[in-house]
Amino acid sequence: GENVEQHPSTLSVQEGDSAVIKCTYSDSASNYFPWYKQELGKRPQLIIDIRSNVGEKKDQRIAVTLNKTAKHFSLHITETQPEDSAVYFCAASFFPTSYDKVIFGPGTSLSVIP
Amino acid sequence: DAGVTQSPTHLIKTRGQQVTLRCSPKSGHDTVSWYQQALGQGPQFIFQYYEEEERQRGNFPDRFSGHQFPNYSSELNVNALLLGDSALYLCASSEPFGTGNNEQFFGPGTRLTVL
Repeated sequence: GENVEQHPSTLSVQEGDSAVIKCTYSDSASNYFPWYKQELGKRPQLIIDIRSNVGEKKDQRIAVTLNKTAKHFSLHITETQPEDSAVYFCAASFFPTSYDKVIFGPGTSLSVIP
Repeated sequence: DAGVTQSPTHLIKTRGQQVTLRCSPKSGHDTVSWYQQALGQGPQFIFQYYEEEERQRGNFPDRFSGHQFPNYSSELNVNALLLGDSALYLCASSEPFGTGNNEQFFGPGTRLTVL
């Protein structure tokens, strides 16, 4: 079945450093890859997404890269701040001819040390 | 716009009981998906409702069932509760198919504890 793997499971960085989270997916039909941030006790919130017709997307300090051939995609956070501390989930889905289930990775707990 | 709302916030049940969780989607959204999030894990897709029908289903037993009403709100029912059903149940809604935006907006979740 469909599967999304995510590494590392925990990540600790100094404030101002960069953080990178990597994911792989199994279903080659997947073409939509959202990233969610979940703070403790709160709901997941979309922070950035990418579609398979694009190799990279950037939004201020956050960027996502996609390698469809290798079925890898990564989240890059630059100039990390303490408020970036949260659990980050990558996910894979299929869009747009039909809605499909969104498969989430197991999550990465990011701690930014002031 | 209140966004996606869920009720109740917390629920405690005993093994073998049945539970119903409720979700109201974000205004303008017609598709509702349900997820189970165990502690320390990513959300697991349960099923998705559109036009009052179950359109997609994840690897969950038939004890998990749902419903969507004409106003797009949805219910998740779990029968014969097991200890392993203890989790945060998240509802997510998204725009009508064809708008070009399939971002899912999550509700705050219902924390279910089975004793």
